[in-house]
Amino acid sequence: GENVGLHLPTLSVQEGDNSIINCAYSNSASDYFIWYKQESGKGPQFIIDIRSNMDKRQGQRVTVLLNKTVKHLSLQIAATQPGDSAVYFCAENIGGNTPLVFGKGTRLSVIA
Amino acid sequence: ETGVTQTPRHLVMGMTNKKSLKCEQHLGHNAMYWYKQSAKKPLELMFVYNFKEQTENNSVPSRFSPECPNSSHLFLHLHTLQPEDSALYLCASSQDRPGGYTFGSGTRLTVV
Repeated sequence: GENVGLHLPTLSVQEGDNSIINCAYSNSASDYFIWYKQESGKGPQFIIDIRSNMDKRQGQRVTVLLNKTVKHLSLQIAATQPGDSAVYFCAENIGGNTPLVFGKGTRLSVIA
Repeated sequence: ETGVTQTPRHLVMGMTNKKSLKCEQHLGHNAMYWYKQSAKKPLELMFVYNFKEQTENNSVPSRFSPECPNSSHLFLHLHTLQPEDSALYLCASSQDRPGGYTFGSGTRLTVV
């Protein structure tokens, strides 16, 4: 499927454990960040977003952390489940009306 | 269903064929996008339309021709494609820029 052939970073996690997926973004002026999940055969789906005036935001089983000092974004998934297996992308808005810039993605594999 | 519908889901075409991909969004969004996702590269922005006006063409070859008749519909007309154009073509829409995008499930295109 899509992303096969790409040397995506891969994270393998035991079911029930917590997952942390990291993303280094490119532009210190970026003011809005999003995490997307893409399952095989589907388009990317919105998970959670965060604006640059925050450093943490929580959703259901997911938390996004933003460290503007080192331009780093992370997605934490609590109690990882087999249904969490997918490719995860971070995206940043670098300002104004420019389109989102997407990262290369990380493949999460959950071991049952 | 995400509110963005793409047809067809799968398409196989010869290099001399002409075909069109269709995207329809039911979300009342004012911006629509075409992305290419292939095995070699993750998500490549192709075109952006805002209120039916094309605002971005990311150096896409002329064998790809977009059309946006209204804010709800977006087409990608394909003509004399190459095998390297085989990819997943994703449509997305958004209400405000910057903001999160809603993606369709994509059209898996194979050029033979």
